[in-house]
Amino acid sequence: GAGVSQSPRYKVAKRGQDVALRCDPISGHVSLFWYQQALGQGPEFLTYFQNEAQLDKSGLPSDRFFAERPEGSVSTLKIQRTQQEDSAVYLCASSQPSFVRSGNTIYFGEGSWLTVV
Amino acid sequence: GESVGLHLPTLSVQEGDSAVIKCTYSDSASNYFPWYKQELGKRPQLIIDIRSNMDKRQGQRVTVLLNKTVKHLSLQIAATQPGDSAVYFCAEILNSGNTPLVFGKGTRLSVIA
Repeated sequence: GAGVSQSPRYKVAKRGQDVALRCDPISGHVSLFWYQQALGQGPEFLTYFQNEAQLDKSGLPSDRFFAERPEGSVSTLKIQRTQQEDSAVYLCASSQPSFVRSGNTIYFGEGSWLTVV
Repeated sequence: GESVGLHLPTLSVQEGDSAVIKCTYSDSASNYFPWYKQELGKRPQLIIDIRSNMDKRQGQRVTVLLNKTVKHLSLQIAATQPGDSAVYFCAEILNSGNTPLVFGKGTRLSVIA
């Protein structure tokens, strides 16, 4: 595709509900990242995939957060038993291979805006 | 704590003036520093980046300076326009860890017409 695509763009969830956020990276990009951006803050790293391998999940805030990329393209971020503090924009980004340490351009999607009520 | 810090959370300039946004980073081994612009409700967009083997890089109306001695970055936007109003984030790759890209909190730039 032309860019990183995310869905849904907006999601309102009741506290305790499970949500799933989808990311379609740029075609051919093997690196995929998830970030969480709270209002007025910078993006905070959640997790990173290279192809289907989840190489770093150190930023996931709790075991309620789970991400997968089973076929090395589309990724899903799942949040179980959502809480109000999970309200944020969830940004997906993709990049060419060998991103880490070499620094290739990382492209962001428009984000999924999650509000937990 | 935060590895990438910003000196000012907000900055207002008159249209046509230059804006300078400053940033510090903590990892002396970091080798890549992108700057992102994020308009309200939009995705972060890369506007310029610099690698550690450079001191200065220029783009269209934007210049980034890297001072490795004191671990400072600065972004200069020349001849500002209302469309430059946005939040600007500096970021770095922490060579000491595996986190791909670490962002600062951002500086909100307002260009006053």
